[in-house]
Amino acid sequence: EAQVTQNPRYLITVTGKKLTVTCSQNMNHEYMSWYRQDPGLGLRQIYYSMNVEVTDKGDVPEGYKVSRKEKRNFPLILESPSPNQTSLYFCASSRQDRVTYNEQFFGPGTRLTVL
Amino acid sequence: RKEVEQDPGPFNVPEGATVAFNCTYSNSASQSFFWYRQDCRKEPKLLMSVYSSGNEDGRFTAQLNRASQYISLLIRDSKLSDSATYLCVARGNTDKLIFGTGTRLQVFP
Repeated sequence: EAQVTQNPRYLITVTGKKLTVTCSQNMNHEYMSWYRQDPGLGLRQIYYSMNVEVTDKGDVPEGYKVSRKEKRNFPLILESPSPNQTSLYFCASSRQDRVTYNEQFFGPGTRLTVL
Repeated sequence: RKEVEQDPGPFNVPEGATVAFNCTYSNSASQSFFWYRQDCRKEPKLLMSVYSSGNEDGRFTAQLNRASQYISLLIRDSKLSDSATYLCVARGNTDKLIFGTGTRLQVFP
């Protein structure tokens, strides 16, 4: 089954304790992205990657890191989480084809609470 | 001003009603447009892409007006299962998708 998986789905942590949210897709997509969703603000892009070893900042990259060592994986790293990073996080992937209208496939989401 | 703006709703409509959502975008360089559907606490899923000539998929019709920079979604014969939040999305000449904050639809019996 074609899918994007994220782990963990729920996480409660404390300020300053480093954490990683994993994201993996099995569709051989070139493009992967991380979003956070907050009430009244909608989905905002954190980082994206157009292919292996290529990453770029989105709209709200501060406090986050990513890496793209393999095509299928795109982990999100919070080196020193703070309470303002409490949010619902989505990973997404799509083909990288500028000709067609690309559908982004989203993972199920990770609900993070930072105390 | 937000790049993509939507009326947050909620739109409360009875089953069988026709409902329309509008969305405006500020970047005239935006090239592709989409409607995504998001159920409560779930991931967004593509409902339909929006083509310049307008397009229809069953009970759903999407229209694009480049001159006025707005996109619309029309849902005919609403079903209870249509209750969700509808996200308007614009894609510029970069590879970034800009999401609206969503319009909530509640269909009641």
